[in-house]
Amino acid sequence: DAGITQSPRHKVTETGTPVTLRCHQTENHRYMYWYRQDPGHGLRLIHYSYGVKDTDKGEVSDGYSVSRSKTEDFLLTLESATSSQTSVYFCAISESEGAGYEQYFGPGTRLTVT
Amino acid sequence: DAKTTQPNSMESNEEEPVHLPCNHSTISGTDYIHWYRQLPSQGPEYVIHGLTSNVNNRMASLAIAEDRKSSTLILHRATLRDAAVYYCILTHNAGNMLTFGGGTRLMVKP
Repeated sequence: DAGITQSPRHKVTETGTPVTLRCHQTENHRYMYWYRQDPGHGLRLIHYSYGVKDTDKGEVSDGYSVSRSKTEDFLLTLESATSSQTSVYFCAISESEGAGYEQYFGPGTRLTVT
Repeated sequence: DAKTTQPNSMESNEEEPVHLPCNHSTISGTDYIHWYRQLPSQGPEYVIHGLTSNVNNRMASLAIAEDRKSSTLILHRATLRDAAVYYCILTHNAGNMLTFGGGTRLMVKP
């Protein structure tokens, strides 16, 4: 199994509070991704990173920011959580950007915003 | 972007082979065909991928039609642990972003 951990695994927070989710990898892969999964929508890409301090937006980036100060860590921040951000969040890593490279996913973080 | 079409659900008996189809009639020459699966309450798991030729690994086989407009994921002997949602995904763009559709929910009967 790829060495990917996510923390916390579960979180309940109130509307308007900041939340940071952490993804940590031990594979030294260059590419890291944050997805969210909601019923009826499948997984959707929020942000991704192609190196330390190099990030870009995905399909559903509004309301989220990311940071990557080290190869192994990719942080997802909800500056002011809203109920629409209640979801399961998955981190993924990939060795390369090429279309022929697979992604490996973490176990997920279930976030509930009340 | 090229799109994939999969049946919503399929059933199989334990220890029998399973063939999961995927149609991608608008696939381009540089699109790879990836398969991922997601077991209940877990993150997606990479299964297999290919470009033009059939591929085998320890988990499954991928059969790609000669015109590349369809492919089939083959599980040689289904187990109860193979019950999951299987996603067929085309990748082509820089950044290797995955676009997940609805997938096929595979149910395995003992």
